[in-house]
Amino acid sequence: KAGVTQTPRYLIKTRGQQVTLSCSPISGHRSVSWYQQTPGQGLQFLFEYFSETQRNKGNFPGRFSGRQFSNSRSEMNVSTLELGDSALYLCASSANRVVQSPLHFGNGTRLTVT
Amino acid sequence: DAKTTQPPSMDCAEGRAANLPCNHSTISGNEYVYWYRQIHSQGPQYIIHGLKNNETNEMASLIITEDRKSSTLILPHATLRDTAVYYCIVRVDGEETSGSRLTFGEGTQLTVNP
Repeated sequence: KAGVTQTPRYLIKTRGQQVTLSCSPISGHRSVSWYQQTPGQGLQFLFEYFSETQRNKGNFPGRFSGRQFSNSRSEMNVSTLELGDSALYLCASSANRVVQSPLHFGNGTRLTVT
Repeated sequence: DAKTTQPPSMDCAEGRAANLPCNHSTISGNEYVYWYRQIHSQGPQYIIHGLKNNETNEMASLIITEDRKSSTLILPHATLRDTAVYYCIVRVDGEETSGSRLTFGEGTQLTVNP
């Protein structure tokens, strides 16, 4: 089975621009979640989608948004980029939302904001 | 979710067993223990999880103490490729609060030496 695929792998943007990141979950997985990883803050939860509905949201400003499509693929969008948004953005998928269902992570999109 | 405590770093000789401890003294009865590892510039990799019984898979063994206040991840024959940051996480059961919202701590940097 193919793993979680995230595109693009690297991205460089300028302050004020917006960006869209894409995530294709493992086949059959219905839950997709997003995390931000920075050296200072570590791994922080952004949001989770299941059956095209946002089920959980972390403490990030409204500039961070996401969506999930009927095929479970997900996108996240960051508008009005700030320098502090530079980070590794990780997507994870799981078969469902029960605690016994492990999350499997992709290798992330490295976003640099200049 | 219960907080976990791990040593910041550990060393292990190649071919020997690596035993990584985790303290989760405030764990509650419906919280699972999960282990992930992250190799630099990659996404976290799921290793193993358990509730109260010891678990083993092709990657590792998980030993949970009877009072569930601590656990040990065992890599039976460590290789250089096992050098990574290892995260011990607890996940609470219950769809309303868990889902994919994982809380990662600082983890343990395991260095396997030749």
